[in-house]
Amino acid sequence: DSGVTQTPKHLITATGQRVTLRCSPRSGDLSVYWYQQSLDQGLQFLIQYYNGEERAKGNILERFSAQQFPDLHSELNLSSLELGDSALYFCASSVDGTSGKYEQFFGPGTRLTVL
Amino acid sequence: LAKTTQPISMDSYEGQEVNITCSHNNIATNDYITWYQQFPSQGPRFIIQGYKTKVTNEVASLFIPADRKSSTLSLPRVSLSDTAVYYCLVASARKLIFGQGTELSVKP
Repeated sequence: DSGVTQTPKHLITATGQRVTLRCSPRSGDLSVYWYQQSLDQGLQFLIQYYNGEERAKGNILERFSAQQFPDLHSELNLSSLELGDSALYFCASSVDGTSGKYEQFFGPGTRLTVL
Repeated sequence: LAKTTQPISMDSYEGQEVNITCSHNNIATNDYITWYQQFPSQGPRFIIQGYKTKVTNEVASLFIPADRKSSTLSLPRVSLSDTAVYYCLVASARKLIFGQGTELSVKP
């Protein structure tokens, strides 16, 4: 158990809909990262937050957005969903996020299925 | 554009040493190199991290040459339970680039 929690574990929805994925980082971690992993694909970095502020941006679509709240939990919002958005979405946290030398602890993921 | 390249797959037998190399030609001064292991339907798990030369922990070694344009993860005496996908990550503040992952299959 990494200490990172993600809810829900599974999510099934229809095209065009909007969903929110939630992540609670390890106690004391200030940085949160979001990743997308499509079937049999590698990890695609989406976005990183550090202490409530956006820190780094990867291949995140305009239909997707995220935020980190004062209690440091984070939410990833996916809207106008398409079939191709079906994937595992991972959240990770690290104690710091101001350099690349901090180990990331990954949550168990949310499996999103868009029908 | 920075890119991180790994072999797609590798096969090995139990008890052998496995070396997986990651190429990162455009690595920057502030970048760190980290390796993660992932089992199916689980989140990746940290293995080892380095900046230059050699780093060793209880499960692996990481070799980084002086020019830092590549790195090699070394797994000594693999077992069946080491069958997984291995990712290298090149990261600094505001930049994270994962390789596409190497699927390691360990056979008896």
